[in-house]
Amino acid sequence: GQNIDQPTEMTATEGAIVQINCTYQTSGFNGLFWYQQHAGEAPTFLSYNVLDGLEEKGRFSSFLSRSKGYSYLLLKELQMKDSASYLCAVREGQAGTALIFGKGTTLSVSS
Amino acid sequence: DAGVTQSPTHLIKTRGQQVTLRCSPISGHKSVSWYQQVLGQGPQFIFQYYEKEERGRGNFPDRFSARQFPNYSSELNVNALLLGDSALYLCASRSGTYATNEKLFFGSGTQLSVL
Repeated sequence: GQNIDQPTEMTATEGAIVQINCTYQTSGFNGLFWYQQHAGEAPTFLSYNVLDGLEEKGRFSSFLSRSKGYSYLLLKELQMKDSASYLCAVREGQAGTALIFGKGTTLSVSS
Repeated sequence: DAGVTQSPTHLIKTRGQQVTLRCSPISGHKSVSWYQQVLGQGPQFIFQYYEKEERGRGNFPDRFSARQFPNYSSELNVNALLLGDSALYLCASRSGTYATNEKLFFGSGTQLSVL
């Protein structure tokens, strides 16, 4: 079966660094995506990993270990606007196959 | 360019009624997917269409149906509404190039409340 686990909630302060973990168990693997979703808004794409290692994009980085079924999203220099839900999603099949989402991690950034 | 647009933004229905949700993809995108997001959960896949053909279906009952039109817009229909159908319904489009890093672009969703 399919199982994607993320912490439900996390809190951090402005300027800090936070790491949001995601573990997955799926019948196949062809890429992992991270999306950000502010309350009442559309999920927006943050990052994509298909090979092991770290992908860096400004203040956001994402890491993947396929052998461990593990990914994390690292957010640096946190800002209040980073308060949102962060969704980990796995694609099991070929490109174009539907994504399987975790329940999301709600991050609250305080001053 | 406009992003993915969905209508209506909010909808209130009663049990047993039928509802139609609409989605227009990003210009040039040929694939549309529908996801259901219950409060506090991640989006759950319902349907995917590409070039007007169904290319995938999630684990949802036959009360859920969808179609894609020649202009690539799409409709999601839900019959015989249940209280449990209350959720945010998200439409997502992608270009359809099938590149491995091809990402989904989501609309802001239709919030459906079933009373």
